[in-house]
Amino acid sequence: GAGVSQSPSNKVTEKGKDVELRCDPISGHTALYWYRQSLGQGLEFLIYFQGNSAPDKSGLPSDRFSAERTGGSVSTLTIQRTQQEDSAVYLCASSLGILVVNEQFFGPGTRLTVL
Amino acid sequence: GENVEQHPSTLSVQEGDSAVIKCTYSDSASNYFPWYKQELGKRPQLIIDIRSNVGEKKDQRIAVTLNKTAKHFSLHITETQPEDSAVYFCAASPSSNTGKLIFGQGTTLQVKP
Repeated sequence: GAGVSQSPSNKVTEKGKDVELRCDPISGHTALYWYRQSLGQGLEFLIYFQGNSAPDKSGLPSDRFSAERTGGSVSTLTIQRTQQEDSAVYLCASSLGILVVNEQFFGPGTRLTVL
Repeated sequence: GENVEQHPSTLSVQEGDSAVIKCTYSDSASNYFPWYKQELGKRPQLIIDIRSNVGEKKDQRIAVTLNKTAKHFSLHITETQPEDSAVYFCAASPSSNTGKLIFGQGTTLQVKP
């Protein structure tokens, strides 16, 4: 079946603008994660959704970052008043669920450039 | 919170040699340790994982070992091939009820033909 998809693949924006990044997880996956990967760096956890539970927002770097997941499927990561340090690849991942920690399948990422 | 350290940051080997990448973690409650391979411009893909109730796991040329007492785990690639060239990330899941992963900084592996 289809893997995790993300849109847009690339986004260039001006400092101070808001951006929205979209993630479509694998059908049937109840867990969804957002990570950020800066150039040449590892993946930094941002936020996690599991079913109808309250999301784990412990990785969000500031209150300019927020995310929602509608209907337990599609997720949107919003960055308000973007800064140059927000430039990175934003990766979404999904997994089957949480009774046992499962493999996370990653999307292709959205490359965000803040000018 | 959990912290994962990964070494070396770069590794160059001759084709056919073995490669070893090591990671340490700080949270003794971490119970799941995956390894991801990321080729240039591609998404990370799981190559092997190990859970805290197991000490070693093998899959063809790839093996992972876990030492819970010392809080470190390692990736071993034998008979390396040029297509093994990529960035490898270790990760740890600090809790059994979230599944979020804390990643190491990555190791760039170059296999010279």
